[in-house]
Amino acid sequence: EIVMTQSPATLSVSPGERATLSCRASQSVSSNLAWYQQKPGQAPRLLIYGASTRATGIPARFSGSGSGTEFTLTISSLQSEDFAVYYCQQYNNWPITFGQGTRLEIK
Amino acid sequence: EVQLVQSGAEVKKPGESLKISCKGSGYSFTSYWIGWVRQMPGKGLEWMGIIYPGDSDTRYSPSFQGQVTISADKSISTAYLQWSSLKASDTAMYYCARVRFGEYDPWGQGTLVTVSS
Repeated sequence: EIVMTQSPATLSVSPGERATLSCRASQSVSSNLAWYQQKPGQAPRLLIYGASTRATGIPARFSGSGSGTEFTLTISSLQSEDFAVYYCQQYNNWPITFGQGTRLEIK
Repeated sequence: EVQLVQSGAEVKKPGESLKISCKGSGYSFTSYWIGWVRQMPGKGLEWMGIIYPGDSDTRYSPSFQGQVTISADKSISTAYLQWSSLKASDTAMYYCARVRFGEYDPWGQGTLVTVSS
């Protein structure tokens, strides 16, 4: 099973600033990596797939990069609605695995 | 609009059986895999398994193999997740989601299952 490790566990950032979230895979997942956002009481929402492609309707301030084992989600200028938990997911191998999540909180 | 609508919250006792559902609309239900994901209270996302409604091909996470059964009825565009004997540790939110090229989109609204004596 591929283990996905996200860092940091919690990130405190001020509105308008840049946030950088990391995800590392225990072995290569090529570009088969997705990012999701989950707000309290809501289902997860797809942000990025294929490591760097924004899903439909996702603002341009969200960007993904990386391949192989190292991936990054960047939010260029944080808006109030961006404070949430973010998960990475690999779908290169079964079983599919998720990272443990990064909580993005207001500083 | 592509949509997955899940059945409502359930409260059950240990040992009882349960089947929850996920109905797809707005797309060809038989052409995409449907995945199930567990989220225990205050915890992260865990992949349980996946089904292709077109031929009912099913794969399970080793962690959930033998613990749950995933099925689908393509005639009514509905996937199911069922337990034969619930445990308190099955208390969680359960999500279904359509699988596109591997990524999950969209997700159902979730079904909260509470198991308590």
